Amino acid sequence: TQLLEQSPQFLSIQEGENLTVYCNSSSVFSSLQWYRQEPGEGPVLLVTVVTGGEVKKLKRLTFQFGDARKDSSLHITAAQPGDTGLYLCAGAGAGSYQLTFGKGTKLSVIP
Amino acid sequence: GAVVSQHPSWVICKSGTSVKIECRSLDFQATTMFWYRQFPKQSLMLMATSNEGSKATYEQGVEKDKFLINHASLTLSTLTVTSAHPEDSSFYICSASPTAGTYNEQFFGPGTRLTVL
Repeated sequence: TQLLEQSPQFLSIQEGENLTVYCNSSSVFSSLQWYRQEPGEGPVLLVTVVTGGEVKKLKRLTFQFGDARKDSSLHITAAQPGDTGLYLCAGAGAGSYQLTFGKGTKLSVIP
Repeated sequence: GAVVSQHPSWVICKSGTSVKIECRSLDFQATTMFWYRQFPKQSLMLMATSNEGSKATYEQGVEKDKFLINHASLTLSTLTVTSAHPEDSSFYICSASPTAGTYNEQFFGPGTRLTVL
């Protein structure tokens, strides 16, 4: 069974601060996705990383896939209140359609 | 692109009745769809994997006779909660994986809030 350990579970920061969310596993993933979910809504796909060492940027969000494809991080620069939400990482094993989800990081950005 | 709709967005029903939830991929075909359940302040719990034209695969601990899944076309999967009880109250979310996709991405519907009285 593949497990994804996501940390921190909760994060409350002031507007303008930077933060990093981590996802770690002992398993290798063929791809890893990051989602953001707001209360009462479904998760929205932010990015997919597939290559070891890959870095993708989405405005103030930077996503990195570990060289061994076992871990990933999400870094937010100058957080805004609009970044508030539940961030979920999810990994796909080779040949599998199923995703293994982390437990999520609930981010609150205080104005 | 990659839009998934879910209907209804919320439903309240009496204990013992059945409720059907629809999940549609609006602008892509999805051979595989997934049904999740999410409890407050928790991550997603996979209930079952639905494949078009074949029986769904249920996760351990999920009663297949209680949660009936039908994936009749490449754009529609339904989840029927039969003889619902208050403990079935939850947020149910579906996702769809594009048939033509490469990286096993899943696109999620907006969810259905089920309340069983």
